[in-house]
Order: sequence, then C-alpha cells, then structure tokens
Amino acid sequence: EAGVVQSPRYKIIEKKQPVAFWCNPISGHNTLYWYLQNLGQGPELLIRYENEEAVDDSQLPKDRFSAERLKGVDSTLKIQPAELGDSAVYLCASSPGVGVQETQYFGPGTRLLVL
Amino acid sequence: ILNVEQSPQSLHVQEGDSTNFTCSFPSSNFYALHWYRWETAKSPEALFVMTLNGDEKKKGQISATLNTKEGYSYLYIKGSQPEDSATYLCAFSGRGGYQKVTFGIGTKLQVIP
Repeated sequence: EAGVVQSPRYKIIEKKQPVAFWCNPISGHNTLYWYLQNLGQGPELLIRYENEEAVDDSQLPKDRFSAERLKGVDSTLKIQPAELGDSAVYLCASSPGVGVQETQYFGPGTRLLVL
Repeated sequence: ILNVEQSPQSLHVQEGDSTNFTCSFPSSNFYALHWYRWETAKSPEALFVMTLNGDEKKKGQISATLNTKEGYSYLYIKGSQPEDSATYLCAFSGRGGYQKVTFGIGTKLQVIP
C-alpha cells in the first residue's frame, strides 16, 4: 500500500512569491489534514477535510493561505504571497474514517525556506 | 488553546538503557491520546492510540500507559537501541466543539551506541 505522497520535498523561494504544495493521501482515506511544523514545535493543524469538505479551517491564515480538495482525493495548499515567517515544514496526513480517534498516516513533509 | 506538554524535550541514553517520557494533557473532556515516532528525514509513524483510562499498549520494546483522570501518559522504551533514536510526539484529542488533534512539541531521543 502506497503511503501519503507529498511534493515537492523541498522548496526555496523569495518572499512575496507564491508557492503550492501537493498531497495525495492513502487510497480510500476520507480525512485529510494539513499541518505546519515550525522548528522546535509540534505540528499545528491548518485545515482538516472530510472528503471534499473543509470541516476545520479555523487556524488557516486565510489572508495568504488557501487549500482545496476538489474531488475529495488529493489536495493542494497554497501560500500567496509567502513571508519569511512561513519557513517551516508542511505536513500532510490522512486517516481512513472521520473522528479524532483515528490514526493519522503522515507524508514526508515539504520543507519550505523563504528568503 | 489546549496545553499538551511533553518532557523532557530531549535526552541522550546509552544503548541498552531503558527510558521513559511524559505527555501531559487536559484531564477534562478527554477523547483520545496518540503517540507517534518521527525519525529524521522520514514521516511521523503512529505507535499507539489510547482511549480508556488505564489503557496500556505495547509494541516490541515500546509501551505506553494512560491516566485520563490526572491527565498524563508515559511512553517507555526498554533496552534502547540506536534505531530508537527519533522524536516522540504525543497528540491529544478532546470532546466537543471542533474535535481536533493537538500535538506536543515532542521528546527528542538520542541513543548512543
């Protein structure tokens, strides 16, 4: 069984540029999560999808961040424009069902550096 | 904002030593507690999910206990090996409102050969 796939693995951009990250969850997984992980911190939830519906985007900075999961499968997270403080690891995870007792399966993350 | 704390933040142990770390979480409205292992350059990997007070889970030389009344979970590693070197994250889920998972900052374990 293929795991959660994320691309790119690394991205270096200049501030004010746009950037997009892609995630393909494990086949059949209904719930998809995007997390932000700053150095020395735990992952922080940005957005959670159940199928194609964003059920929790309360921590997504909507002035510059957007996400979509149009067909309830893969997802894209975008930042426009990027700021220096956005340098972090962006993790995607999926789980088979809904509910926070479900085990999450993580991708390898995208490490973003904004110069 | 939910407070999920892990201690210590980092530790070094010799190969063969046993060790343990703590995850503290709010004792009210408990729903589930997860432990993940995150090795450098790899994806975080699920170890355990625990939902009942007094739960004990075991996977190889790693085990975990849960006390929901006092709001803590312990992770134990018996006879640490260099391949156990990783960051161990706990994640708390509460009931009500937006059900979400709140991660601690992790305990970074280095096992010295």
